[in-house]
Amino acid sequence: IAGITQAPTSQILAAGRRMTLRCTQDMRHNAMYWYRQDLGLGLRLIHYSNTAGTTGKGEVPDGYSVSRANTDDFPLTLASAVPSQTSVYFCASSGSEQPDTQYFGPGTRLTVL
Amino acid sequence: GQNIDQPTEMTATEGAIVQINCTYQTSGFNGLFWYQQHAGEAPTFLSYNVLDGLEEKGRFSSFLSRSKGYSYLLLKELQMKDSASYLCAVIDSGYALNFGKGTSLLVTP
Repeated sequence: IAGITQAPTSQILAAGRRMTLRCTQDMRHNAMYWYRQDLGLGLRLIHYSNTAGTTGKGEVPDGYSVSRANTDDFPLTLASAVPSQTSVYFCASSGSEQPDTQYFGPGTRLTVL
Repeated sequence: GQNIDQPTEMTATEGAIVQINCTYQTSGFNGLFWYQQHAGEAPTFLSYNVLDGLEEKGRFSSFLSRSKGYSYLLLKELQMKDSASYLCAVIDSGYALNFGKGTSLLVTP
């Protein structure tokens, strides 16, 4: 079934711990994105990748890193989690023609204590 | 930067019509998207406008005026399942979507 998967679905994490959120798409989309969604603030872009091997910073990149070793995978890493990173994280992807519709994964609910 | 405004909440009655407005101020413009998001779920694509005018898709229509920096989403024959958040998003000169904070729509019997 084509689409985007994210793992884990939810996670509770102690502050200071390292965490990687996984995102995989099988639509052969060139572009991938990571957003966080917080109540009252809406969706905000963390990092993006226009194609495998390239990444860029979004609106709120501090404390996060990404890599794009291949077309399908776009992991998001929190090197040392802090409580302000408690949020719902959505991965999205879009096709090779820009602008193109972005399709979202089911999200990861992360709580940092 | 981007400034995208939409009402925080709206309430409408089942069977009625509701219009959700979105205004934007951007440094460039490559299109405007509307997404629907049910509670606890991912956003799902509803519509895309890049030229002025109305795009109709079943019960949902979206309008764009680039000169006014204005769009609206029109939902007809409202159903209870339409209770959700509706997100307006603009692409400027880059690739990423810039989202408004969303409008929470409650459909009542």
